[in-house]
Amino acid sequence: DAKTTQPNSMESNEEEPVHLPCNHSTISGTDYIHWYRQLPSQGPEYVIHGLTSNVNNRMASLAIAEDRKSSTLILHRATLRDAAVYYCILRDGVQGAQKLVFGQGTRLTINP
Amino acid sequence: NAGVMQNPRHLVRRRGQEARLRCSPMKGHSHVYWYRQLPEEGLKFMVYLQKENIIDESGMPKERFSAEFPKEGPSILRIQQVVRGDSAAYFCASSPGITEKLFFGSGTQLSVL
Repeated sequence: DAKTTQPNSMESNEEEPVHLPCNHSTISGTDYIHWYRQLPSQGPEYVIHGLTSNVNNRMASLAIAEDRKSSTLILHRATLRDAAVYYCILRDGVQGAQKLVFGQGTRLTINP
Repeated sequence: NAGVMQNPRHLVRRRGQEARLRCSPMKGHSHVYWYRQLPEEGLKFMVYLQKENIIDESGMPKERFSAEFPKEGPSILRIQQVVRGDSAAYFCASSPGITEKLFFGSGTQLSVL
């Protein structure tokens, strides 16, 4: 599985935008970029995924660099409930990779 | 449509006992994944199963651990002769297909005394 690199931790304030970066310089052409998050004492939950174009959903936006070697998860207006560990994961869209490989993720703290 | 159901939520076992963790995938999902999360660590893949078949068990310890996903009923992760190092949160996830997103349960917290 291709590797991703994320900052260990980030901090932001409530109601402000948050930009969570992810580097994936060894990404292959068929790898999708997936984001999951894990709230305290809960299982991970899907946030968003994309291949080449930027993606938006009700939870977040995903901005993908033109060379696809990095991406940014954007929370437009953070709330206290967004405090979690965010995982950026590459997953082969053809083979499916059959499993998600979680790294250490970014621990996001939201200040009131 | 109920989410992925795991039970029990908390399980306490003494060293040497057996632990059986159950996972009922979401309706229509035939792919099940098990992950383990040690305290203050990340999620580690253990095993991936489709109905009645183990597809990838590359993350399973070679001894004492086994998993099944029968044609009828939940998936079971079984740990024989538990040791203190088995204390962890065990998460199950399901998906309808190999390229689809995973839905995770709330986990079973196993504590070995």
